[in-house]
Amino acid sequence: QVQLVQSGGEVKKPGASVMVSCKASGYTFSTYGISWVRQAPGQGLEWMGWISAYNGNTNYAQKFQDRVTLTTDTSTTTAYMDLRSLRSDDTAVYYCARGRNGVVDHWGQGTLVTVSS
Amino acid sequence: DIQMTQSPSSLSASVGDRVTITCRASQGIRSWLAWYQQKPGKAPKSLIYGASTLQSGVPSRFSGSGSGTDFTLTISSLQPEDFATYYCQQYHSYPYTFGQGTKLEIK
Repeated sequence: QVQLVQSGGEVKKPGASVMVSCKASGYTFSTYGISWVRQAPGQGLEWMGWISAYNGNTNYAQKFQDRVTLTTDTSTTTAYMDLRSLRSDDTAVYYCARGRNGVVDHWGQGTLVTVSS
Repeated sequence: DIQMTQSPSSLSASVGDRVTITCRASQGIRSWLAWYQQKPGKAPKSLIYGASTLQSGVPSRFSGSGSGTDFTLTISSLQPEDFATYYCQQYHSYPYTFGQGTKLEIK
């Protein structure tokens, strides 16, 4: 069965960087992309970006364009989200999700990133 | 960016009720719309894509309709496990924006 297993929670100081991983299994990794979505405490869902696991093509929300990098490692079927220059309002649960042609069907369990001095 | 607006923001209903949630896009998105369900402390669950196609395993009491700018999610007969927050999302153009969510509560 399709599974996306994310790395554990992180606590970071303002200005630091965080990398969240998303290990995929149960399907051919390169035939789908991975979207990243975040959710601040008590808030709604916010789309951050998408990466093709086939060729590494990416699309980022303008809001995150300068601070986020999405990558994949096909040898380990793992996707990564790197967010830099963290601020307190980056405190959120970060989700990866499998998608193709914009359609998302499976989600990771989420990773809580807390930014606090 | 395309703005997605859901209504209502919250809704109280009883088990067995028929419920409809509306999602409006700020510009036409054809049928490039998805619906998600999220329960507290859990990851979202994908329900519908293409405005009306159920994801595998989603009960048939869920249905979606609409195209262009106006869409609806209908639950034909509410079950206890359906009380959750529902989100629409357009995937017509980047960035793929979400509605603000509709919280469905037990009356």
